[in-house]
Amino acid sequence: NAGVTQTPKFRVLKTGQSMTLLCAQDMNHEYMYWYRQDPGMGLRLIHYSVGEGTTAKGEVPDGYNVSRLKKQNFLLGLESAAPSQTSVYFCASSPQPETGANYGYTFGSGTRLTVV
Amino acid sequence: AQSVTQLGSHVSVSEGALVLLRCNYSSSVPPYLFWYVQYPNQGLQLLLKYTTGATLVKGINGFEAEFKKSETSFHLTKPSAHMSDAAEYFCAVSPSQGGKLIFGQGTELSVKP
Repeated sequence: NAGVTQTPKFRVLKTGQSMTLLCAQDMNHEYMYWYRQDPGMGLRLIHYSVGEGTTAKGEVPDGYNVSRLKKQNFLLGLESAAPSQTSVYFCASSPQPETGANYGYTFGSGTRLTVV
Repeated sequence: AQSVTQLGSHVSVSEGALVLLRCNYSSSVPPYLFWYVQYPNQGLQLLLKYTTGATLVKGINGFEAEFKKSETSFHLTKPSAHMSDAAEYFCAVSPSQGGKLIFGQGTELSVKP
């Protein structure tokens, strides 16, 4: 059981380039999330999805787009990368909150992105 | 709206000493509360969580936390620190009816020999 898998693990982009980060989960979770982690700021939610075909904005959505065409995959896109998007990106998934005792996030191992 | 405040961005303890990492939250509804640990260059791993029921929650690696509604706190403790506990710890809150976790800024725990 792989859990949550993120690809790539590392990437260096030039300003203005585009890229897509892929997140895949094999736990049949309904909810998926993209966070960015910056020193001293904890994790901030970029976008999230509550099911296949749905997406919603989080706390810091500007400059990012997402898609959830399949339940197991959640893609994060940067159309025109900027140095301010240098960060570590984490994907997470969770079952629906109503499951109660089993509720919680499973995180991927992260993608370290540098924009020069 | 929910928010989380972790008191102290860096905490240093000696090996064998008590670990206390502080977390206060604000929530307009009964919250779900979590502690996660992040080891260097790794993702976040769930330490423990409070959803309903017993307010003292035990987690992995000897950690525990107590939900105190009157103090809006969910402090993380461990009686005796081990060198392997050195990591960054995140407190998080989620409303009981929704899925989004709101994280605190994190506390980096250092353990001195």
